[in-house]
Amino acid sequence: EVQLVESGGGLVQRGGSLRLSCAASEFTFSDYWMSWVRLAPGRGLEWVANINRDGSERYYVDSVQGRFTISRDNAKNSLYLQINSLRAEDTAVYYCAKEGPAVTTHFDYWGQGTLVTVSS
Amino acid sequence: SYVLTQPPSVSVAPGQTAIIACGGSSVGSKSVHWYQLKPGQAPVLVVYDDRDRPSGIPERFSGSTSWNTATLTITTVEAGDEADYYCQVWDSGSDHYVFGTGTKVTVL
Repeated sequence: EVQLVESGGGLVQRGGSLRLSCAASEFTFSDYWMSWVRLAPGRGLEWVANINRDGSERYYVDSVQGRFTISRDNAKNSLYLQINSLRAEDTAVYYCAKEGPAVTTHFDYWGQGTLVTVSS
Repeated sequence: SYVLTQPPSVSVAPGQTAIIACGGSSVGSKSVHWYQLKPGQAPVLVVYDDRDRPSGIPERFSGSTSWNTATLTITTVEAGDEADYYCQVWDSGSDHYVFGTGTKVTVL
């Protein structure tokens, strides 16, 4: 069974930084695009960023462009999200999500998430 | 930017049918996917490509679309179906994934 395990969340001051990690197993990691999706308190799910199979293409939601960086290490079956210049509105559970097979537009597996809390 | 609108809440008695709508401009022309979120658990894909179910998802979960509305239907609702449900599409105009506003399903 596909497993995605996030880590790296925590309490951080406004303007601070964190690096989130996602360890993937039980599938060929390098064959799939990967995404980060977040769920903020009282708000809905929001797609944050994704990355293609070899890491050469990266896309971001406008609200994090220039502050967040998605990356991957296929040798380590790992996905990362570097988050800088944190704002209160970045407080959320961050999920790592595996995108479906080629030409699909859904997320077929998700991790349990890691909580990022931004304090003022 | 593309917007998907869902009712904030739906209440249903056990054994009855829950219907969750997802409204968006020409959403019927896109592939719509649905996710179930329970507190402390990983989100679960319950319907993809409008009406297909991943393996392990009961037949009680079904999806359909019309031109401006997608619908998730849960028949013979059980207590374990109580969760938040989100629709999702890929918006080619922005090259972004878009989620609906979410619906909390309460089993009475």
